[in-house]
Amino acid sequence: DAGITQSPRYKITETGRQVTLMCHQTWSHSYMFWYRQDLGHGLRLIYYSAAADITDKGEVPDGYVVSRSKTENFPLTLESATRSQTSVYFCASSAQGLSNQPQHFGDGTRLSIL
Amino acid sequence: GDSVTQMEGPVTLSEEAFLTINCTYTATGYPSLFWYVQYPGEGLQLLLKATKADDKGSNKGFEATYRKETTSFHLEKGSVQVSDSAVYFCALHGSGNTGKLIFGQGTTLQVKP
Repeated sequence: DAGITQSPRYKITETGRQVTLMCHQTWSHSYMFWYRQDLGHGLRLIYYSAAADITDKGEVPDGYVVSRSKTENFPLTLESATRSQTSVYFCASSAQGLSNQPQHFGDGTRLSIL
Repeated sequence: GDSVTQMEGPVTLSEEAFLTINCTYTATGYPSLFWYVQYPGEGLQLLLKATKADDKGSNKGFEATYRKETTSFHLEKGSVQVSDSAVYFCALHGSGNTGKLIFGQGTTLQVKP
């Protein structure tokens, strides 16, 4: 019952560095999502994917890149990290895009950019 | 566009008190509504959901009723416990099968013994 796992759980890096956050799910869910959680903003969608090789922008995509070559993996890359990207990042998945289906979340990656 | 507004926290209650966390939404069509809970250091977990007007979602003593006339989905529990201390998020999934959720800003609940 692995579910959805994110790695690393904690990451500290410097401005200008590239960093990749990993997300892996074992359910073969079609849909996967990346959110960032910041105080006062709740969760904001960065990118999502409806299937392998299909990705689309969410509410706050600038500065981030995603890929989805395999159904189970959905990495998020910050190509040149900035302090404003310090946040807690959550990956989620759902079986299909139907409106009555919940999303299942990982435990998050706490990213600090110095 | 679609949006969700939650009451600001933190909410501090004594054990066994009655809980209400207000949630209102703006959406076209007939969205599905969700409450998620986030315990410290963890991801979000689905608490309950309602997919059409007048539906009542319930789980672990929590309830919320989908009120289309007031565009609300308030979370209630009759008697809170210390273990209910967490952040609660109201969310909606709009029309169309996009899979995307829109979240409120979250309400922190602290229950004191």
